[in-house]
Amino acid sequence: GQQVMQIPQYQHVQEGEDFTTYCNSSTTLSNIQWYKQRPGGHPVFLIQLVKSGEVKKQKRLTFQFGEAKKNSSLHITATQTTDVGTYFCAGPNSGYALNFGKGTSLLVTP
Amino acid sequence: DGGITQSPKYLFRKEGQNVTLSCEQNLNHDAMYWYRQDPGQGLRLIYYSQIVNDFQKGDIAEGYSVSREKKESFPLTVTSAQKNPTAFYLCASGQASNQPQHFGDGTRLSIL
Repeated sequence: GQQVMQIPQYQHVQEGEDFTTYCNSSTTLSNIQWYKQRPGGHPVFLIQLVKSGEVKKQKRLTFQFGEAKKNSSLHITATQTTDVGTYFCAGPNSGYALNFGKGTSLLVTP
Repeated sequence: DGGITQSPKYLFRKEGQNVTLSCEQNLNHDAMYWYRQDPGQGLRLIYYSQIVNDFQKGDIAEGYSVSREKKESFPLTVTSAQKNPTAFYLCASGQASNQPQHFGDGTRLSIL
């Protein structure tokens, strides 16, 4: 079945450094979604990408959807301690639900 | 997320006991989902429902049951057949299948 893989599993950066997490699907996706989960909290929807090659920005966060619609990335410029958490990508499966990647846990030290 | 209410926040289960986790949403969403989250495992889908009185098994449905008698409610029962129920359970809803999901605060279930 369709799988969504994320790398790296963990990332530890100093505040002010950049951070990137990558998401790869075994099949072409109609869309890809990104979520953030703070420690002890629940996932919160960040953004949805639909078009091939799409790039969207939210302040210091840049999201990309690959040309083949099988991969995506999230890049954070100049990380802050408020960026700490786990970032998940998710893509529609062959049914009517989403397959979530295992997430990338980001730790930012001041 | 203010639109989805999960209860209780913490739950303890005795051996051989069934327990039910509540999930209520006031977002008028058609689709609802239950996920299980274990450390390092991401979110694994237990059951989902696209419409009232209909639901489908997800990847790890064994030992769980659900009902969808009302649009607003999607309770999950963890049965005694689920031998390793300790986990963080998340309920979510969406306007339609495959669309962005809104999550509740979750229920942490432990075995006594």
